[in-house]
Amino acid sequence: AQSVTQLGSHVSVSEGALVLLRCNYSSSVPPYLFWYVQYPNQGLQLLLKYTTGATLVKGINGFEAEFKKSETSFHLTKPSAHMSDAAEYFCAVTGGRAFGNEKLTFGTGTRLTIIP
Amino acid sequence: ETGVTQSPTHLIKTRGQQVTLRCSSQSGHNTVSWYQQALGQGPQFIFQYYREEENGRGNFPPRFSGLQFPNYSSELNVNALELDDSALYLCASSSPSDRSLAKNIQYFGAGTRLSVL
Repeated sequence: AQSVTQLGSHVSVSEGALVLLRCNYSSSVPPYLFWYVQYPNQGLQLLLKYTTGATLVKGINGFEAEFKKSETSFHLTKPSAHMSDAAEYFCAVTGGRAFGNEKLTFGTGTRLTIIP
Repeated sequence: ETGVTQSPTHLIKTRGQQVTLRCSSQSGHNTVSWYQQALGQGPQFIFQYYREEENGRGNFPPRFSGLQFPNYSSELNVNALELDDSALYLCASSSPSDRSLAKNIQYFGAGTRLSVL
């Protein structure tokens, strides 16, 4: 079974400041980890994913995340926030390599607000 | 290449009614997953269809059922609607590139917002 905990349901940062959104996971098998973004009245868009290999993954719009197995974390960062980054962000996990195990388990989300 | 499309975008039903939501998967994708997103929550997995067969189900009662058609489009049916069924219903499609479905990216539609009165 998998689960995801996102610390902080609301995060506010100033434009140009560092963005840090926290995600911790629990998985009984090696996880695949994802960050999705949801803009108002829209579906989910993939920002980045970790499956195997390099633990620092880069995504779209300048976001990146680091898989830390020892800390069971997959925090999302961006060096400099932009007004267009305001949205809801979801961390998600799947059960790894088993065939047919594609169910995404999501966290409860973090709403990011950018202060001008 | 068209993305994932869902219809209708909004729907209002009354308690006890039945509803059908539709999803057209992205071109070339043979796997469709459905999720329910209640207000202020993350999406919850309902079920997944792979090549027209159910391939996994979340903790949802049997009144939630689905179909996948030969063209890989899909329907979500909900019978005996309850007030708690009010939510955004998201469809996602993907295409396994190897035997491991899990690492394949799921592409989401914009969702159908269902209100049950």
